[in-house]
Amino acid sequence: AQSVTQPDIHITVSEGASLELRCNYSYGATPYLFWYVQSPGQGLQLLLKYFSGDTLVQGIKGFEAEFKRSQSSFNLRKPSVHWSDAAEYFCASSGSARQLTFGSGTQLTVLP
Amino acid sequence: NAGVMQNPRHLVRRRGQEARLRCSPMKGHSHVYWYRQLPEEGLKFMVYLQKENIIDESGMPKERFSAEFPKEGPSILRIQQVVRGDSAAYFCASSPGLDSDEQYFGPGTRLTVT
Repeated sequence: AQSVTQPDIHITVSEGASLELRCNYSYGATPYLFWYVQSPGQGLQLLLKYFSGDTLVQGIKGFEAEFKRSQSSFNLRKPSVHWSDAAEYFCASSGSARQLTFGSGTQLTVLP
Repeated sequence: NAGVMQNPRHLVRRRGQEARLRCSPMKGHSHVYWYRQLPEEGLKFMVYLQKENIIDESGMPKERFSAEFPKEGPSILRIQQVVRGDSAAYFCASSPGLDSDEQYFGPGTRLTVT
């Protein structure tokens, strides 16, 4: 069975600082991997996805993620965080069953 | 191009009543997924539907919950005889199907059972 782990429940960074959110997956084959962002009371917005090919994936809002098979990781990064990035971030995977398996989420707080 | 639409956005039901949640997928999308987000928990898959077919309902509670996606009209998630534990945010997502696993989410319906 698939599983996705986000080890950090809550992360606080200062505006302008760099950001890395961790995600580890467990799946027999290479899964499809996604990062979503959820603002309070809102739905989920897709930031980026990895299906195959280049292991460094560029997304919207200046985010990128790197797929590392050897570490079963798909960490999300941003070089300079903006106050509007404060939200909850979810890593997710899907396989042959198509349904998404989500991590428990990481709440990001941005300090002025 | 309208995104995934869900209504109502907020729904209050008393214990024992029925809740009907609607989801209109993005134009051109024939696959619909329902997920539930319980307080202090992550998002959990419930059911995957295509037009007139339930493909995977492995995440649906065995009783009181049902889902449909008719040939015409929105997908419906129905919860009969609601209990307080059903209070949650219910999200619908759609995808074009075929080889795409990219799912686009609606804004969710927040169900409160009193």
